[in-house]
Amino acid sequence: GAVVSQHPSRVICKSGTSVKIECRSLDFQATTMFWYRQFPKQSLMLMATSNEGSKATYEQGVEKDKFLINHASLTLSTLTVTSAHPEDSSFYICSARSMETSGGGAYNEQFFGPGTRLTVL
Amino acid sequence: RKEVEQDPGPFNVPEGATVAFNCTYSNSASQSFFWYRQDCRKEPKLLMSVYSSGNEDGRFTAQLNRASQYISLLIRDSKLSDSATYLCVVNTASQAGTALIFGKGTTLSVSS
Repeated sequence: GAVVSQHPSRVICKSGTSVKIECRSLDFQATTMFWYRQFPKQSLMLMATSNEGSKATYEQGVEKDKFLINHASLTLSTLTVTSAHPEDSSFYICSARSMETSGGGAYNEQFFGPGTRLTVL
Repeated sequence: RKEVEQDPGPFNVPEGATVAFNCTYSNSASQSFFWYRQDCRKEPKLLMSVYSSGNEDGRFTAQLNRASQYISLLIRDSKLSDSATYLCVVNTASQAGTALIFGKGTTLSVSS
C-alpha cells in the first residue's frame, strides 16, 4: 500500500514555541492531505483539508491562525502549531488521499501517517 | 448529535468468542463506510470497507444498513491479536468536500 511519513514522531516543547510537523507521501502524489488531531480516549477529529497549491480549508472551531498549513507540493504538507500551549498537546495525524478505481467506480482512499505526539510543557 | 457514534466499550471477551460492534452515522448523504483498527498510540489502519450487500474478510464481517444509517462489524473466533480499538469511519461531507470522519472507537480486549 501507499506510504505516508510524518516527522517528527514525537516532540516536547515549552509553552509559547512553534512546532512544525511534516507529512510526506512517499510513493504517490497526493493532491489532498488531511490533518487530524486525537486527544486521549477521543476520536480523530478532522482539523483541516489542504489541496496542493491552495489555502487549507479548516473545520469549524479550528483556528487557522494557530494551525498554519502549507501544501506546497504533491508530496509534502506541513502543519505548524504556533505559540503552542499545554492544551495543544495531542496526537496529530496526517493522511493523504489517492485516487483508485474499484469495480468500475472511483473511490478515494486515504493513507495515514504514523502520527506526531506533541507535548507542550 | 455526533456524526458517527459508537459504543466505546470496552468489550472484554475470551479467545474464540464472537463479538459485534455497532455504529450509527448522522449524514444520510454519506457514501463510503469503513472499519479501521487502531492500536495504542499508533495511527489507524484500514481493516475493511463496508458495502451495502455486506462483506466478509476471513473472520470479519461488515454490514451496512443505509435506511437505518447503521454499520456493524462482527468478529468471529477472536484472537489475542484482535485486541485494539475499532473505529467506525464514514466518508462524508466536510468543509472542503469530503473526508473521513471517525467515531470515537470501540475498545476490544481479548484474553486467554
